[in-house]
Amino acid sequence: GENVEQHPSTLSVQEGDSAVIKCTYSDSASNYFPWYKQELGKGPQLIIDIRSNVGEKKDQRIAVTLNKTAKHFSLHITETQPEDSAVYFCAAGMAGANNLFFGTGTRLTVIP
Amino acid sequence: KAGVTQTPRYLIKTRGQQVTLSCSPISGHRSVSWYQQTPGQGLQFLFEYFSETQRNKGNFPGRFSGRQFSNSRSEMNVSTLELGDSALYLCASSSSVKGYTFGSGTRLTVV
Repeated sequence: GENVEQHPSTLSVQEGDSAVIKCTYSDSASNYFPWYKQELGKGPQLIIDIRSNVGEKKDQRIAVTLNKTAKHFSLHITETQPEDSAVYFCAAGMAGANNLFFGTGTRLTVIP
Repeated sequence: KAGVTQTPRYLIKTRGQQVTLSCSPISGHRSVSWYQQTPGQGLQFLFEYFSETQRNKGNFPGRFSGRQFSNSRSEMNVSTLELGDSALYLCASSSSVKGYTFGSGTRLTVV
């Protein structure tokens, strides 16, 4: 089955700096790669996703890149703000299959 | 638009008991998936239901089961509870176009 690895497990950045979280996956059949943000006491919230037919997607301060050949994808957050502090999860799976495989999470702390 | 609603939010059960958790998906979403979240194992897929049928199943023992009703509401049941079943159980609903929307979860503590 699919195996998703995520690094780093913790990340601290100064407010205004950029943050990068990296994930690798094992199953070349995976074609859907969402990123989730989980705040304390809440369920994960989808923040951005990418499908394997594109290499990059941006949404304001958030961007995701995908390298299908190397089987890795990354989340980039620019101009970080304290409210970006949360646990971020990457995931991989087949679009429409609705069973995603998640990374182990990255706890991001933005220091004011 | 109402989100995914999970009840109860918190639950304490004794080893050997059984428990039923409920999930009401976003209106119009026909797929409901369940995940177990623990500090050691992260988010692990339990099963997915679509139109009252289990469409996918993760690698969990048969003590974990679920069902979906005609209104797309779903329940999951865990029988013969073990200490290791303590976790946050998350439900997610999805349509054919958008990705998952998760509920806030049910935190189950087995003592």
